Amino acid sequence: SQTIHQWPATLVQPVGSPLSLECTVEGTSNPNLYWYRQAAGRGLQLLFYSVGIGQISSEVPQNLSASRPQDRQFILSSKKLLLSDSGFYLCAWSVGLAGHNEQFFGPGTRLTVL
Amino acid sequence: GDSVTQMEGPVTLSEEAFLTINCTYTATGYPSLFWYVQYPGEGLQLLLKATKADDKGSNKGFEATYRKETTSFHLEKGSVQVSDSAVYFCALETSGSRLTFGEGTQLTVNP
Repeated sequence: SQTIHQWPATLVQPVGSPLSLECTVEGTSNPNLYWYRQAAGRGLQLLFYSVGIGQISSEVPQNLSASRPQDRQFILSSKKLLLSDSGFYLCAWSVGLAGHNEQFFGPGTRLTVL
Repeated sequence: GDSVTQMEGPVTLSEEAFLTINCTYTATGYPSLFWYVQYPGEGLQLLLKATKADDKGSNKGFEATYRKETTSFHLEKGSVQVSDSAVYFCALETSGSRLTFGEGTQLTVNP
């Protein structure tokens, strides 16, 4: 069966520090991968998605970046965190077949920028 | 562009009450529709889905019917439990293997 892992589970970082969040998927090949941010009391904002290694689409301009160095690994990064980067970050995957694009979510990373 | 509108929360109900969370959408074509649930401190879990008009998705006592004529996918449950307290998201399939989510509806069920 497929599983998705995210780490760390929680993170507290000072403003201006770098960020690296990791997401890995097991049990599937060539998944579509997604990074979302969920601010407190708000809905989901799609940040990045990837349909293959090295292929990253950015949905919103910001100081975050994403990379996909391996088929089942998706990394969210920042060189300098802002207070507004605080939130709950969710990674998700899908098989990418038309009509079957339900996404499966990881447990999330709670990021607090102070 | 594609969009999803959910009824605003929060919704507070007593145990065994009937639940309806409204969801309407705007999209080109006939996208698949989904309901996700998020329990406190966790990621989202797929609750149910429908892939074509008049399909009814169901799971754990929840149901939703894909209504093309009213562009709706309302979530219902006949008798809610305290354990159903969570945030519920309606979503539709967008081009490029993406999902468009509604803003979420917080449900609290009191004993």
